[in-house]
Amino acid sequence: DGGITQSPKYLFRKEGQNVTLSCEQNLNHDAMYWYRQDPGQGLRLIYYSQIVNDFQKGDIAEGYSVSREKKESFPLTVTSAQKNPTAFYLCASGSRRAGELFFGEGSRLTVL
Amino acid sequence: AQSVTQPDIHITVSEGASLELRCNYSYGATPYLFWYVQSPGQGLQLLLKYFSGDTLVQGIKGFEAEFKRSQSSFNLRKPSVHWSDAAEYFCAVGAEETSGSRLTFGEGTQLTVNP
Repeated sequence: DGGITQSPKYLFRKEGQNVTLSCEQNLNHDAMYWYRQDPGQGLRLIYYSQIVNDFQKGDIAEGYSVSREKKESFPLTVTSAQKNPTAFYLCASGSRRAGELFFGEGSRLTVL
Repeated sequence: AQSVTQPDIHITVSEGASLELRCNYSYGATPYLFWYVQSPGQGLQLLLKYFSGDTLVQGIKGFEAEFKRSQSSFNLRKPSVHWSDAAEYFCAVGAEETSGSRLTFGEGTQLTVNP
């Protein structure tokens, strides 16, 4: 079945460690997105990519990094520079034209 | 820049009652509008979308929404709520001019359904 796979679903890390969240899609979408979700704040855009080897900062990119080496994959690294990394992270994909986004099941990161 | 406001943080309804969740958007041209639903610890599922044409759109699970340009609104409705509708609901706006499927989301409305 086509869809978006995020891993791991739960991740615990110590302060100061970088962590990488995986996002893979087999929907043949050009565009991929990372959102952060905190209680009462909705979804905030971290980074997005509309084509391989290109990506743009979203509204809250500080402390995060991404790469887009393959169309299917858009990993997110939460670096030690991110002040408050504990959150629920959602990956999504969509067409480069206007349209809906398709979401993965999310990854919950807890920094101890 | 586009923005979305969901005025109600939390709504409680009784099972079988009607439901309306409010959404107001800000965008200069014709927006693309969406409603998503999220169960705890899960991703978002699309309920319905509006791109153009008929201003009343039907979605999955018996939901509908009406686009009202004069009020900059896109409210979600359901005639009779089921206990399984308890979830968080997000309204989102997009526009072709601002890079394709990039969406801006509201802060969400948490729906509780009483038996």
